[in-house]
Amino acid sequence: KQEVTQIPAALSVPEGENLVLNCSFTDSAIYNLQWFRQDPGKGLTSLLLIQSSQREQTSGRLNASLDKSSGRSTLYIAASQPGDSATYLCAVLNGNNRLAFGKGNQVVVIP
Amino acid sequence: KAGVTQTPRYLIKTRGQQVTLSCSPISGHRSVSWYQQTPGQGLQFLFEYFSETQRNKGNFPGRFSGRQFSNSRSEMNVSTLELGDSALYLCASSLDRGDGYTFGSGTRLTVV
Repeated sequence: KQEVTQIPAALSVPEGENLVLNCSFTDSAIYNLQWFRQDPGKGLTSLLLIQSSQREQTSGRLNASLDKSSGRSTLYIAASQPGDSATYLCAVLNGNNRLAFGKGNQVVVIP
Repeated sequence: KAGVTQTPRYLIKTRGQQVTLSCSPISGHRSVSWYQQTPGQGLQFLFEYFSETQRNKGNFPGRFSGRQFSNSRSEMNVSTLELGDSALYLCASSLDRGDGYTFGSGTRLTVV
């Protein structure tokens, strides 16, 4: 069974600092990995999708890397802003067509 | 283009009742998945439908069921509601598994 871990559970950073969020998974036989953002009481917004054959994906201030062999992914958010405050979720897709989620990183960016 | 639409947004039900939630996927998406989110358990997979067939099912009791229609819209039904069924229910759609998932805003179910 795929286990996904995100550490730390919560963090606060001052505005302008770079954010580094880590995700680890136990089964490296993944199809792809997707990072989501969730605001309180809302649904999930997809940020980046990394296929198993890729090493990284970038979108604006966001960059996600994938090291499948070691079971790790890292989400980098450059020059954080208060609007980046949210919970960030890592989800891994195995061949069984179900996403396995971590518990999330709750981020607060302090103005 | 329109996103994934879930209705209703909020529901309050009494223990023992049943409830039906609806999900309209992005046009052209044939895969629809359902997830339950609670503070304690996080996001847990319920089931996935593809072209009207249930392709995968999570570890939930038989009180949780679903179906998909020919236009890819999906419904989820929970019978004999329990207090522990209170959660945010999220629907996600995809072209197919390699294409990533788009989630709806969810239905907040409260069982009293």
